[in-house]
Amino acid sequence: ETGVTQTPRHLVMGMTNKKSLKCEQHLGHNAMYWYKQSAKKPLELMFVYNFKEQTENNSVPSRFSPECPNSSHLFLHLHTLQPEDSALYLCASSQEAYSNQPQHFGDGTRLSIL
Amino acid sequence: GQQVMQIPQYQHVQEGEDFTTYCNSSTTLSNIQWYKQRPGGHPVFLIQLVKSGEVKKQKRLTFQFGEAKKNSSLHITATQTTDVGTYFCATKAAGNKLTFGGGTRVLVKP
Repeated sequence: ETGVTQTPRHLVMGMTNKKSLKCEQHLGHNAMYWYKQSAKKPLELMFVYNFKEQTENNSVPSRFSPECPNSSHLFLHLHTLQPEDSALYLCASSQEAYSNQPQHFGDGTRLSIL
Repeated sequence: GQQVMQIPQYQHVQEGEDFTTYCNSSTTLSNIQWYKQRPGGHPVFLIQLVKSGEVKKQKRLTFQFGEAKKNSSLHITATQTTDVGTYFCATKAAGNKLTFGGGTRVLVKP
């Protein structure tokens, strides 16, 4: 399934670096999501965008900054991350947020903080 | 907020055997979605259940929604190595956002 594309697939960065994760969906959906998945925790919802408007910030630290320039693209800007931020970051999309429509996930970015 | 608990957390299954994983909630659920994540992969939507007592089948997978809509189960018959992965249930929590359970990680012994 290639409806949701994430880049890069892997990222290693130091705590003082600035980097961005990119997500693009080709499904014509109007909602996009960022999730964090770490080894010992379930999928944690971070941000929700519905029709380009941020509708959910699930108490995410400010060192994570999302950006949604249009319904097809979603970015996660990273700055001054901590070792505990090492995880798989998954992007997802759905027809609309808060509906019963299923979510379609990208392959994720495996992030390692040195 | 509303949570769904999945049990077991891990399931070791002999190839060819059946097993069941459960998703439980203390509150009534509006719906349940099931996803499968293969090792190294991403969650993939399998099915959604909405009605009380609903049962849906996908080949060797049988999904059931409880009569009280507080629990759901996924039963796999004649397990194959392709069934390896983590199975998540998900439901709408407070604020209508999708909340995932902790998942059941399935390992198949050939």
